[in-house]
Amino acid sequence: EPEVTQTPSHQVTQMGQEVILRCVPISNHLYFYWYRQILGQKVEFLVSFYNNEISEKSEIFDDQFSVERPDGSNFTLKIRSTKLEDSAMYFCASSEYSGLAGSEQFFGPGTRLTVL
Amino acid sequence: GQNIDQPTEMTATEGAIVQINCTYQTSGFNGLFWYQQHAGEAPTFLSYNVLDGLEEKGRFSSFLSRSKGYSYLLLKELQMKDSASYLCAVRDNDYKLSFGAGTTVTVRA
Repeated sequence: EPEVTQTPSHQVTQMGQEVILRCVPISNHLYFYWYRQILGQKVEFLVSFYNNEISEKSEIFDDQFSVERPDGSNFTLKIRSTKLEDSAMYFCASSEYSGLAGSEQFFGPGTRLTVL
Repeated sequence: GQNIDQPTEMTATEGAIVQINCTYQTSGFNGLFWYQQHAGEAPTFLSYNVLDGLEEKGRFSSFLSRSKGYSYLLLKELQMKDSASYLCAVRDNDYKLSFGAGTTVTVRA
C-alpha cells in the first residue's frame, strides 16, 4: 500500500541553526501538508501546498518557515533559525483531492525535531 | 476561530463498546474526520463524515449531526490494540484539518 515517507525520523539541532525536513508524498497525490505536534499537545496545521504554491498557512507558519517541492517527488519544510519552541513532531501529509468527499489526508511517520 | 472538544480519557474493557463524543464550532465545515494515533506514531485515518448520519466501517462507526455540531466515534468489540488516542478533526475549508486534543482510550483485559 502506498505511504507517505519522511526523513530523518529524528533531528537534533542547536538553537539558531537551519533544518530541512523531507517528505515523499504518495505518488498520485496533488495536495501536500505539514502539521506539527508538540509533545502532549494537539496536532496543529502549518501549511498546505498545491500546484507549486502555498494554498493556506497558519499563524504558526511565520517567515522562518518555508516549503518547497524541489523535484517531482520530494516536499520539504525548512526552518531557517530554529528556536527551542520549535521542538515538536512534524508530520507531512498528502491527499489526492481537496475539498471533495472522501479526500482523506494520509500522514507520514513524522520527524521528531529537538532543538537544544 | 476553531473550537473542537472531546473528552481527555476513557477506559473500557476488552470486548466492550466505547463511544467518543466530539463537538465543534468552526468557521466553516467541509467534513469531519476521525484518526487513530498510537503514542509516538502518525495519525491514521479511520472514518469520514460530511453528511448527517452514521457511517459504518467494520468495528468502527462514526456519526455526524451538522446542525448540532456533534459527532461520535463508536468502537465495538474492543481489542487491546485499540488502546490509542482518537483524534476528531474538522476540515473547515478546502485545505486544512483542525484537530481536537484527542481522547486517550485505554482498553483493559
